[in-house]
This record gives sequence, structure tokens and C-alpha cells, in this order.
Amino acid sequence: DTAVSQTPKYLVTQMGNDKSIKCEQNLGHDTMYWYKQDSKKFLKIMFSYNNKELIINETVPNRFSPKSPDKAHLNLHINSLELGDSAVYFCASSGGTAEAFFGQGTRLTVV
Amino acid sequence: KQEVTQIPAALSVPEGENLVLNCSFTDSAIYNLQWFRQDPGKGLTSLLLIQSSQREQTSGRLNASLDKSSGRSTLYIAASQPGDSATYLCAVSGSTGNQFYFGTGTSLTVIP
Repeated sequence: DTAVSQTPKYLVTQMGNDKSIKCEQNLGHDTMYWYKQDSKKFLKIMFSYNNKELIINETVPNRFSPKSPDKAHLNLHINSLELGDSAVYFCASSGGTAEAFFGQGTRLTVV
Repeated sequence: KQEVTQIPAALSVPEGENLVLNCSFTDSAIYNLQWFRQDPGKGLTSLLLIQSSQREQTSGRLNASLDKSSGRSTLYIAASQPGDSATYLCAVSGSTGNQFYFGTGTSLTVIP
């Protein structure tokens, strides 16, 4: 039973398209995150939600819009995709001990 | 702003050797520190979590220490095995525990 699951695992799309990545956690955690891993494998936070409320929004272009319909889900919608958006996007969640659990990642390739 | 550095960037050792990975951070006001492992093309697997009030944690052949005042953590791997080959990432969470700052990782290769 996967703790943090995100779909799709791979996403190939053309520049200018709009796409969404979905994330769900079954750990009962209050906090969820989106991280971006660049080509150099560096992980950087994009957004953090606590109980469906946005608490961290790190200098991310407003083409990226997270949505949390409930505390178990945090989806990421990306408008007008650009070549530079190609990366691996990770969803994560954490609870009271602030131990982070990560999903398997979504590899986004913009062509 | 918190900065996390991991040394070395890459390490290659023969099987059976004990090894130490290093992590340093600039702001000692952390909530906890977590070590992860990432296999190529895969997600992050949590190895050890050390709360800010703790000095070390152990799991099997792994031992992680934390010296918050000096901004350092080490991950000790005993009797390394080829299956330990992966990238090891250190992450510290901010004082509220709502954000994780990652290091650049150490790529470990254990040679059979």
C-alpha cells in the first residue's frame, strides 16, 4: 500500500500545453509538499500546504498552481509549459514528527 | 537562508569497507535532520530521522549523528555492500518543521 502516490510517473508534452500531476497520501499527514529536482539532482521546495492551506510558495512562476481539495491530496497544475520546466517533480508529506515521505516522482519532459 | 552541503560529492569504496558521509548546514535552528537514499530514476527512501534534541539514531548498519551547534551530521555505513550503491541525501527542516532544505547529495558506489 503506497504511502505517497503520484501520477503520472512519466509525462511528455509539447511546449505551450497545460498539464496536471496528482498526488495522494494515505498517512494521515497534515502537511504536503511539491519539490522539483533539476538536472543536477538538486531538490528544491516549490510549495507547502498544511491542512489545505498554502504556507510556503517559493519563487515559483505563477504558471504553476497547486490545489489541495483535502488534506490527503495536493495536485500541481502547470500552464503554458516551457522547455525549462523539464524536471522530476516530487510530492511529499509529513506529520507530527516532521518526517518526510516522498512519492516516486513524475518525470516531466517538455519538447 | 539555510544552506546544506554534503561532502564528498562522490565516493567509491570496495565492498566491506566502513564509510562516513558528511552533511553540514548553516542555520542551527532546525526542527530535525533526515537522511534519504535515492536510487537512479526512483524516489527518496527515508533512512533515518534525527530530532533536533537527539544526538544520534541507528538502524541496522546505519548510524547517523547530529551536532546541531556546529551544524553537522554524519551518516556512518558499516560493512558496505554493493546494494548500498545509491545517492544519499541529507535534509534539514526549518524551525517550524514545514520545509526541508536538501543537500546536493553524495553518490556512493560500492565495488564488489
